Amino acid sequence: DADVTQTPRNRITKTGKRIMLECSQTKGHDRMYWYRQDPGLGLRLIYYSFDVKDINKGEISDGYSVSRQAQAKFSLSLESAIPNQTALYFCATTPRPGQGDPNEQFFGPGTRLTVL
Amino acid sequence: TQLLEQSPQFLSIQEGENLTVYCNSSSVFSSLQWYRQEPGEGPVLLVTVVTGGEVKKLKRLTFQFGDARKDSSLHITAAQPGDTGLYLCAGALGNQFYFGTGTSLTVIP
Repeated sequence: DADVTQTPRNRITKTGKRIMLECSQTKGHDRMYWYRQDPGLGLRLIYYSFDVKDINKGEISDGYSVSRQAQAKFSLSLESAIPNQTALYFCATTPRPGQGDPNEQFFGPGTRLTVL
Repeated sequence: TQLLEQSPQFLSIQEGENLTVYCNSSSVFSSLQWYRQEPGEGPVLLVTVVTGGEVKKLKRLTFQFGDARKDSSLHITAAQPGDTGLYLCAGALGNQFYFGTGTSLTVIP
């Protein structure tokens, strides 16, 4: 079984709709991240969380919100989707120092989101 | 503006050739990672470099971290079709990771 899972894997939605992308991990890591990937731009950080009560904005948080429901679960929401949020979204985890190598990120398989 | 710039963006070479991918920035990073990503999957870590001037080898792949910890290179010797994929560098700065723009490598049999 995959250590980091994302649901859904693909989603097509319309402008203005609210969308939630979910991420679960069985690695026992404290730290979780949400990225979006666009061609020619690499991955850009949206939000990250170092534990259940810790939420931090990344480079491109506008238009997104997150919820850390448990150590193993981190959800990303688009409150009112717009076409330029069409992208590939990845969830990742890292261990905290002492738990493992904090530089190694473990990625989920991604969610391809299309906003029409 | 991207914090990390990779070059080239696309690379198509014949099997057996050598290649180098570059990752450059004006910022100093505490560590730098190289990832490889295949279609439909998330990136997978290849290596982490931490010390300025550090060189790491992983079979036919050689990774170097610049002396000033602002840049890095990935050299592949005798490329094989199995090396095809998207190569991403990422730098750790504070609590965040910043990714490069990516290099899409195609190795033609």
